[in-house]
Amino acid sequence: DVKVTQSSRYLVKRTGEKVFLECVQDMDHENMFWYRQDPGLGLRLIYFSYDVKMKEKGDIPEGYSVSREKKERFSLILESASTNQTSMYLCASSTRQETQYFGPGTRLLVL
Amino acid sequence: DAKTTQPPSMDCAEGRAANLPCNHSTISGNEYVYWYRQIHSQGPQYIIHGLKNNETNEMASLIITEDRKSSTLILPHATLRDTAVYYCIVRAYSGANSKLTFGKGITLSVRP
Repeated sequence: DVKVTQSSRYLVKRTGEKVFLECVQDMDHENMFWYRQDPGLGLRLIYFSYDVKMKEKGDIPEGYSVSREKKERFSLILESASTNQTSMYLCASSTRQETQYFGPGTRLLVL
Repeated sequence: DAKTTQPPSMDCAEGRAANLPCNHSTISGNEYVYWYRQIHSQGPQYIIHGLKNNETNEMASLIITEDRKSSTLILPHATLRDTAVYYCIVRAYSGANSKLTFGKGITLSVRP
């Protein structure tokens, strides 16, 4: 079975803090993705990566950056957290041209 | 710009088949139909996908019309644990860019 894990299920941070969300997959997938999910807005793609050290902006990259130093790990970074970044963050991975598998999600609350 | 339309909600009785419709009238020839579901507070779960033939796996069946403009996901014997939001997505394989665009989905409520 494909396994995608995320470092935290719940996270509370303060405005202005730097926040790291980690995602690890164990299936040697090339592609990895970060989405956020908000009520009434569905899932929105923030960034994705199709190889180590490669990254592409998704639909809403503003306020976020990512890092992919190893194939199995894709990190989402909030350089200076703001209250409008309170959300559910979802990581996914896939092989090229194949099905995406999601992690359990991280609920981030920025106070 | 989800490219699919689904009714907002439906319900069915436990043990009965749940038939979830999806319209994708602008689907292109190289686009697949994917179904995911999301149980409250969890990440989306892949269910099934297809191009033009009907597909079946251990979770569900996918029926795609001959003109490919609509499809139906069938859960043959719904249980209470199938209560979730179900997303119908169309997606082309386009090299490295394989992102999914989720719409609002359909909320399925399975009643005892």
